[in-house]
Amino acid sequence: EDQVTQSPEALRLQEGESSSLNCSYTVSGLRGLFWYRQDPGKGPEFLFTLYSAGEEKEKERLKATLTKKESFLHITAPKPEDSATYLCAVQAWVSGYALNFGKGTSLLVTP
Amino acid sequence: DAGVTQSPTHLIKTRGQHVTLRCSPISGHKSVSWYQQVLGQGPQFIFQYYEKEERGRGNFPDRFSARQFPNYSSELNVNALLLGDSALYLCASSFSTGDTEAFFGQGTRLTVV
Repeated sequence: EDQVTQSPEALRLQEGESSSLNCSYTVSGLRGLFWYRQDPGKGPEFLFTLYSAGEEKEKERLKATLTKKESFLHITAPKPEDSATYLCAVQAWVSGYALNFGKGTSLLVTP
Repeated sequence: DAGVTQSPTHLIKTRGQHVTLRCSPISGHKSVSWYQQVLGQGPQFIFQYYEKEERGRGNFPDRFSARQFPNYSSELNVNALLLGDSALYLCASSFSTGDTEAFFGQGTRLTVV
């Protein structure tokens, strides 16, 4: 059975303090690994899709990387507006196009 | 451009009642998926529809059903509501089932009392 585990559950950073969020996964045939950002009471906002080990993608202060067992979301010099829950999801070839989400990491960036 | 729109935004129902949630995908998108998100958890896949046909179903009871209309909008129906059905229901649209970039609506917050 596909599994997605995100750590830490919650993270508090000072503005400018860089860190990484982890997403460990087990899946039978990875089609894609996704990162989403979710603000309270809102729907998830798409950030990145990664397809194969070694792939990296960047967007502003965020950089996502992928290995065969985990993905990292690196946040460089975060700002308070980066505060949100970050969700990781995997899509497997055998299970159609459903996204299997982790529980998320709740990030709080303080000024 | 209009994003994915869901209605209503909030809903309160009584146990045993029936509820219908609606979703309009992004213009040009033909695939709609439904997810349930309980507080503190990640979204869980319920259904995917493409070209009015069901293309995937998650591990949910038969009380949950959905359909997609010719204009690609979709409805999620839940019968015999239970307290445990209280959640944020999310609709995601994509151009096709093969499109890996899904765009979510703001969700419908369902509270069952």
